[in-house]
Amino acid sequence: GESVGLHLPTLSVQEGDNSIINCAYSNSASDYFIWYKQESGKGPQFIIDIRSNMDKRQGQRVTVLLNKTVKHLSLQIAATQPGDSAVYFCAEKASGYSSASKIIFGSGTRLSIRP
Amino acid sequence: DAGITQSPRHKVTETGTPVTLRCHQTENHRYMYWYRQDPGHGLRLIHYSYGVKDTDKGEVSDGYSVSRSKTEDFLLTLESATSSQTSVYFCAISFGQGGSEAFFGQGTRLTVV
Repeated sequence: GESVGLHLPTLSVQEGDNSIINCAYSNSASDYFIWYKQESGKGPQFIIDIRSNMDKRQGQRVTVLLNKTVKHLSLQIAATQPGDSAVYFCAEKASGYSSASKIIFGSGTRLSIRP
Repeated sequence: DAGITQSPRHKVTETGTPVTLRCHQTENHRYMYWYRQDPGHGLRLIHYSYGVKDTDKGEVSDGYSVSRSKTEDFLLTLESATSSQTSVYFCAISFGQGGSEAFFGQGTRLTVV
């Protein structure tokens, strides 16, 4: 069946350092792999996604890497700031008009920043 | 919150009673989703909709039903609430084609006593 999971439940990083959050997936049929950020008391917020035919995509201070050979996804945050403290979720989605469009989430990694 | 309103934001209900949560959007997005979030878990998909009157089950659909009679509203009903359905419920919307970005509401905290 489909599953998206995370290697580590918590990650503590020094402010200014780079953060790397990892995720494993099992559904090779997914078209998109996505990262969301959730701050306390709020709904998840889209960060960045990557299509299955890509292996790297960069955004503002974030980079997502996709390794389809080992079914691994990672989110790299450059120069981590206190505002990056949150829970990060990976998710996957298949494209299509109907039932394939569901978005399935992994269990989340809590990122905490040390001053 | 990208034009998404969940109501109510908080609710306490008794075991065995029916409960309906509402998600309203002003974005005219085709796809709508209901998730639940529990401590130690990520977001688990309950049901989703890919158009008016088009819905499908997610990962944890038992005990829940949904309806979408118009584009802007997606209702989640707990037929007979149980304590295991105490959770935070999130609605999300997505344009769908050509992308994966979904926008989430603020959540509804439901307590079943």
